[in-house]
Amino acid sequence: KAGVTQTPRYLIKTRGQQVTLSCSPISGHRSVSWYQQTPGQGLQFLFEYFSETQRNKGNFPGRFSGRQFSNSRSEMNVSTLELGDSALYLCASRGEETQYFGPGTRLLVL
Amino acid sequence: EDQVTQSPEALRLQEGESSSLNCSYTVSGLRGLFWYRQDPGKGPEFLFTLYSAGEEKEKERLKATLTKKESFLHITAPKPEDSATYLCAVHGQAAGNKLTFGGGTRVLVKP
Repeated sequence: KAGVTQTPRYLIKTRGQQVTLSCSPISGHRSVSWYQQTPGQGLQFLFEYFSETQRNKGNFPGRFSGRQFSNSRSEMNVSTLELGDSALYLCASRGEETQYFGPGTRLLVL
Repeated sequence: EDQVTQSPEALRLQEGESSSLNCSYTVSGLRGLFWYRQDPGKGPEFLFTLYSAGEEKEKERLKATLTKKESFLHITAPKPEDSATYLCAVHGQAAGNKLTFGGGTRVLVKP
């Protein structure tokens, strides 16, 4: 089975812009979670989608949003980017035993 | 709220020098404790899931154990390719599918 894929792998944006990141889960997995990883805060949960519905949300401002499509692919959007949004954004798809992570999208906000 | 603390933050080992990483946790109803390995610039790679105190799992030079308050990842006779950041995470009953991660232990194994 192919693993979790994320696109793009790298992005450079400027403050105030918005960005959309994409995630394709492992085939057959219906739950997709998003995490933000920074050197200072580590891995923090953003939100989880299952069958196109947001089931759980972390403590992030409303500028962070997401959605899931009928084929389980998911997107997350960050509006009005701030310098502090620079991070590795990781998508994880849930299997029976654990969550399997993709390679991440490295976002740099200038 | 679920909490995970990993120690030490960093560990330098000589090749062949065995050691242990600690993961202390507080969780309201443990559904699973997970160990991941992360290489620079990559996503976390799944290693083990532990569900109940007393459980142990092994994979090559790695062995994970679990008690009611902490988990240990033992690295036996490490090789340079074991250099990575090791992450511990918990899944609590009240957390949906959210994983709560510790800060990780950066392991460097020198030849």
